Amino acid sequence: EAGVAQSPRYKIIEKRQSVAFWCNPISGHATLYWYQQILGQGPKLLIQFQNNGVVDDSQLPKDRFSAERLKGVDSTLKIQPAKLEDSAVYLCASSRYVTSANTGELFFGEGSRLTVL
Amino acid sequence: AQTVTQSQPEMSVQEAETVTLSCTYDTSESDYYLFWYKQPPSRQMILVIRQEAYKQQNATENRFSVNFQKAAKSFSLKISDSQLGDAAMYFCAYYAYNAGNNRKLIWGLGTSLAVNP
Repeated sequence: EAGVAQSPRYKIIEKRQSVAFWCNPISGHATLYWYQQILGQGPKLLIQFQNNGVVDDSQLPKDRFSAERLKGVDSTLKIQPAKLEDSAVYLCASSRYVTSANTGELFFGEGSRLTVL
Repeated sequence: AQTVTQSQPEMSVQEAETVTLSCTYDTSESDYYLFWYKQPPSRQMILVIRQEAYKQQNATENRFSVNFQKAAKSFSLKISDSQLGDAAMYFCAYYAYNAGNNRKLIWGLGTSLAVNP
């Protein structure tokens, strides 16, 4: 079974530029998550999708961040314009169910490391 | 509010020795899951072990075991016979699946574990 795929692995941009990250979850996983992980901190949930619908985007800075999962499979996270404080690793994860009593287990990709100069 | 606290930012252990990582959490829920995730340097986050709150028996996965004290809201991870490959950031996480709109993973700040040869 293929894991969660993310690209690019690394990206360096100037502040006020834009950037996009792509994620392809494990086949059959209905739920997809984007997390932001700043160095030395735990992951912070930015947005959670179930299929192509948004379950939770309460911590997504909507003035500059956007995310979509149009066909309920892969997803794109965009930042425009980027700020210095957006430097972080952006983790994508997927799970089979949103609220399964059996799991809650997330499968993560390797992350996309963003550096904003 | 539900919170997860990892009081040890850094730990070290000698190869083949045993180490215990601490985690406490705060919740008013009675049904939930607790997790330990491992994040090796520049590699993807993976699930190490999971504990259901309704189970009194502590979870065990090979060299990894937990000490779950529900009344004390404590969930420590014990790594026996430590190996060099255990060096990583370890995150404790709490997941409530019966809490209405608060159904999400709550993460600690992590403990960086070094394994000395």
